[in-house]
Amino acid sequence: AQKITQTQPGMFVQEKEAVTLDCTYDTSDPSYGLFWYKQPSSGEMIFLIYQGSYDQQNATEGRYSLNFQKARKSANLVISASQLGDSAMYFCAMREGQTGRRALTFGSGTRLQVQP
Amino acid sequence: DVKVTQSSRYLVKRTGEKVFLECVQDMDHENMFWYRQDPGLGLRLIYFSYDVKMKEKGDIPEGYSVSREKKERFSLILESASTNQTSMYLCASSNQFAKNIQYFGAGTRLSVL
Repeated sequence: AQKITQTQPGMFVQEKEAVTLDCTYDTSDPSYGLFWYKQPSSGEMIFLIYQGSYDQQNATEGRYSLNFQKARKSANLVISASQLGDSAMYFCAMREGQTGRRALTFGSGTRLQVQP
Repeated sequence: DVKVTQSSRYLVKRTGEKVFLECVQDMDHENMFWYRQDPGLGLRLIYFSYDVKMKEKGDIPEGYSVSREKKERFSLILESASTNQTSMYLCASSNQFAKNIQYFGAGTRLSVL
């Protein structure tokens, strides 16, 4: 079974509008972390935001916020006031278990295009 | 700022060649990772290392090996390159506490002809 599912291969949004990128996850471990990364056309993966499974509040980082719904196992990324520079691939990822010697499992990504 | 440097942005190799991809990080991170990225498949873990000379297989280790002789350097080795190893290769590093945020290099796009 897929551990991280991103169901939107591509999304379009108008500049200055908000957009939500979907991510659902699957784990039986009570301790985990959820990450979002941005990959522009240059190829480098850029860390955006993190949510821990025990965090009481949704994470926010500037224009990025994470809509964490634990019971539904979803961790959607919300980008407010989209900019042309937000056009990129976006990947959701999960670390299962406590921190330490852990790798991440990535979803297949969503390509976001911001239109002027 | 964390810096993860991959030795090459683009490589072209021939089938059967031995290929070395090098990665260096400057943040004294314990963990280092090699991923492969293919369209529609996201990133798949090849190997990771949590200490010098220590390694663990990821999801797709077949056809690859790794070496970590120094903490800051993690090498991916394709013993005999094949055309199905044409891909983007991404290196990352993280510490072993707090959030385990992984920081990535710019990637190496490898073509095997």
